[in-house]
Amino acid sequence: GEDVEQSLFLSVREGDSSVINCTYTDSSSTYLYWYKQEPGAGLQLLTYIFSNMDMKQDQRLTVLLNKKDKHLSLRIADTQTGDSAIYFCAESSGAGSYQLTFGKGTKLSVIP
Amino acid sequence: NAGVTQTPKFQVLKTGQSMTLQCAQDMNHEYMSWYRQDPGMGLRLIHYSVGAGITDQGEVPNGYNVSRSTTEDFPLRLLSAAPSQTSVYFCASTLRRTDTQYFGPGTRLTVL
Repeated sequence: GEDVEQSLFLSVREGDSSVINCTYTDSSSTYLYWYKQEPGAGLQLLTYIFSNMDMKQDQRLTVLLNKKDKHLSLRIADTQTGDSAIYFCAESSGAGSYQLTFGKGTKLSVIP
Repeated sequence: NAGVTQTPKFQVLKTGQSMTLQCAQDMNHEYMSWYRQDPGMGLRLIHYSVGAGITDQGEVPNGYNVSRSTTEDFPLRLLSAAPSQTSVYFCASTLRRTDTQYFGPGTRLTVL
C-alpha cells in the first residue's frame, strides 16, 4: 500500500531555518499536506501543495515538491520556539482528501 | 461555527466494554473520517463517510463500527474494547472531495 516516510526528529536553533523532509510512494497522490500538532492538541493544517506544482510559499513556510523523486519538504524560515511541535506529512490519492495517508511525524525542537 | 467537536475528551474502559465516541460538525461538510493515532505513529484511517447513509472502511477498521444518519454526526462505536484500541482518536471533516480536512481536538481512550 501507500507509504509516507519522515525522519523522526529535528533540532534547530532559534532564528535558523528548519527543513523537514518527506518521501511518499503513491504516484497517484494529488495533494500533499503538512500538518502541525502541538502537545495534547489536534492537527492544524499548515499548508498543502497540489501535485502539479513544484513550490508553494506562504509567509515563513516554503513547500518544495519533487514529483519525480516523490520527495516533499517543508522549510520554516526564522524558526521560533513556538514552532516546536510534531509535523506530519500526508498525502491523498485520487479518492480525495478524506482518505489521508500520514507519515509518522517529525518532532521539531527549537533551541533558544 | 464550533467546527469539529468530539466527546468525550478522555475515557477509560475495561476490556470487553462497549462505548461510542461522538463526533459532530456544523459546517455542512459531506465527508467525515475517523483516525487513530498511536505513539510514534502517524494517523491511520479507521472509517470514512462520503455523505449521510454512506460509510466505508479505511486502513484499520477491525473492532469499530460507524454510521452516518445525519450530515452533522459521525459516531464511532467500539463493540468490545481491547487494550490494542488504547489510542487517541481524531475525527475530521471536509466540505468537498479535494478540500482540506478539519480535525477535531481528539478523544484519548485507555482500555485496561
